[in-house]
Amino acid sequence: GAVVSQHPSWVICKSGTSVKIECRSLDFQATTMFWYRQFPKQSLMLMATSNEGSKATYEQGVEKDKFLINHASLTLSTLTVTSAHPEDSSFYICSAKRPGTGKETQYFGPGTRLLVL
Amino acid sequence: GESVGLHLPTLSVQEGDNSIINCAYSNSASDYFIWYKQESGKGPQFIIDIRSNMDKRQGQRVTVLLNKTVKHLSLQIAATQPGDSAVYFCAENINQAGTALIFGKGTTLSVSS
Repeated sequence: GAVVSQHPSWVICKSGTSVKIECRSLDFQATTMFWYRQFPKQSLMLMATSNEGSKATYEQGVEKDKFLINHASLTLSTLTVTSAHPEDSSFYICSAKRPGTGKETQYFGPGTRLLVL
Repeated sequence: GESVGLHLPTLSVQEGDNSIINCAYSNSASDYFIWYKQESGKGPQFIIDIRSNMDKRQGQRVTVLLNKTVKHLSLQIAATQPGDSAVYFCAENINQAGTALIFGKGTTLSVSS
């Protein structure tokens, strides 16, 4: 299979603190990972594309200094929500594209629920 | 804005019935489509995919139909079970390396026993 994990699965933090979320591809190497956020009863909204060894590509309206992405290895991408505020509370989901399949199928992590008090 | 959307936000069926979930897309350049299932509090789970050179693809209890003329995609679930209850999203992609998927709004499927 293609397994993607995320850590932590949920986090509660105080306003103004920073939170780091890890996304790992467990059984394959992923040169490209994606970060999404999802509000209750809404669809997934792409935040950024994370490429191993290079800078992330952010979608319009996503602050790169607010949401720091690091893709330091072929199996790990991290998303850091800096100076988190209550409006950053959301469900953050990462995905990874499995290479060599000839398709753009993405496999998703289980998500991280962030609650900022 | 989104280029993939769904016709109905919710669908309720009885156990054992067949379910059909619809999706309309607007980007004629999209050539790869995927259906995902998302249970509450979890990440999306891959169900089935289809390329634009196909009209139909079958999996285990699921069938995806693609009508490129009207830019319509559907997911058929046979003999729907309570465990099928979830939110279903269609997603599209222009088959270029490294590009992200674009998700539709989702249909909540509720299966009653």
